[in-house]
Amino acid sequence: GQSLEQPSEVTAVEGAIVQINCTYQTSGFYGLSWYQQHDGGAPTFLSYNALDGLEETGRFSSFLSRSDSYGYLLLQELQMKDSASYFCAPGGGSGYSTLTFGKGTMLLVSP
Amino acid sequence: DVKVTQSSRYLVKRTGEKVFLECVQDMDHENMFWYRQDPGLGLRLIYFSYDVKMKEKGDIPEGYSVSREKKERFSLILESASTNQTSMYLCASSLGQGGETQYFGPGTRLLVL
Repeated sequence: GQSLEQPSEVTAVEGAIVQINCTYQTSGFYGLSWYQQHDGGAPTFLSYNALDGLEETGRFSSFLSRSDSYGYLLLQELQMKDSASYFCAPGGGSGYSTLTFGKGTMLLVSP
Repeated sequence: DVKVTQSSRYLVKRTGEKVFLECVQDMDHENMFWYRQDPGLGLRLIYFSYDVKMKEKGDIPEGYSVSREKKERFSLILESASTNQTSMYLCASSLGQGGETQYFGPGTRLLVL
């Protein structure tokens, strides 16, 4: 079967660093994506890890360990606008692939 | 920029009505997807399509059907709407051929009375 675990809520203050963990168990795993969704908005793509290791994109980094079925999203220098829900989504990597979205982690950034 | 549009932002229908939700993408993407999003449940895949006239069931296809007559358009059909189909419906598209990024439309919030 498939399972996906990420924390339901994380709180932090502006300027801090926060890590959102994701553990998964899926069939036909290709990689791990992360999406951001602001309240009332559509999910938007943040990052994709096909290989083990760290991918950095500005203030955001994403990590994958395929052997541990584990990944995380690291957000640095938090800003108020980072308050949103963050979804990890294993899958992707082939033409007919789908993504399995978790329930999401709501990040609340306070002043 | 990829643009995915959905026919309505808000929709109110009555139980038993047939409901059509339309999605159009303008980037010649191969893959298109329909999700529903409910509080506490995240995004759940209803149906997807990787080519014209092709469709595959997702995790929760019961009560829904889809149509993809043209590459750019993917329709979700609720044959007989029920109150438990009140939800936010999100359409997405991706390049296919290993394209991982899904681009989402703004969503349609459907209320079934």
